[in-house]
Amino acid sequence: DAKTTQPTSMDCAEGRAANLPCNHSTISGNEYVYWYRQIHSQGPQYIIHGLKNNETNEMASLIITEDRKSSTLILPHATLRDTAVYYCIVRVPRGGADGLTFGKGTHLIIQP
Amino acid sequence: NAGVTQTPKFRVLKTGQSMTLLCAQDMNHEYMYWYRQDPGMGLRLIHYSVGEGTTAKGEVPDGYNVSRLKKQNFLLGLESAAPSQTSVYFCASSYEVGGANTGELFFGEGSRLTVL
Repeated sequence: DAKTTQPTSMDCAEGRAANLPCNHSTISGNEYVYWYRQIHSQGPQYIIHGLKNNETNEMASLIITEDRKSSTLILPHATLRDTAVYYCIVRVPRGGADGLTFGKGTHLIIQP
Repeated sequence: NAGVTQTPKFRVLKTGQSMTLLCAQDMNHEYMYWYRQDPGMGLRLIHYSVGEGTTAKGEVPDGYNVSRLKKQNFLLGLESAAPSQTSVYFCASSYEVGGANTGELFFGEGSRLTVL
């Protein structure tokens, strides 16, 4: 699976949109982009994933560039509870239990 | 629907002792995983399972054994605990759609293990 690069940390004001970037310049055509987050001391939580079209769910939006070399996770109205480490992961959906590879992610801090 | 449940949540062991962590999921998921997370680091995969009766090694399997006798349970064993195994352990499960693992993992709340 392709590697990803994320900023170590980011700040965002409460109520604003939080935009978290991820670079995956070596992504291949059948690899999906996944986002997870981990709130302090809790287990990671799945947020969203996509292949090439933009995706939206109740938690966030995922914008993938046309060349698919980077993506942005958007939390539209950040709250203090969104403070967490956000992981961007690239993988190919395939049969079998291939565990996801979690890097160090981006520590997002929502400021009151 | 409890999701993924880990027991115990906290445990202190002495070097050389053995113990088993239990992971239970009630979502009928095919796949189950054990990860460990050390301070300031991402999660590292220890072992995983593609179904009842099957297990496989992940990135850091040494010092651990696993079993999946029932689909809903995945056990992680430490036969002779070492201080290097002090960590937070997370269990997860996932499901497949159309023969492919969706990659949507559901995690437990973690088990904090300290080995003295």
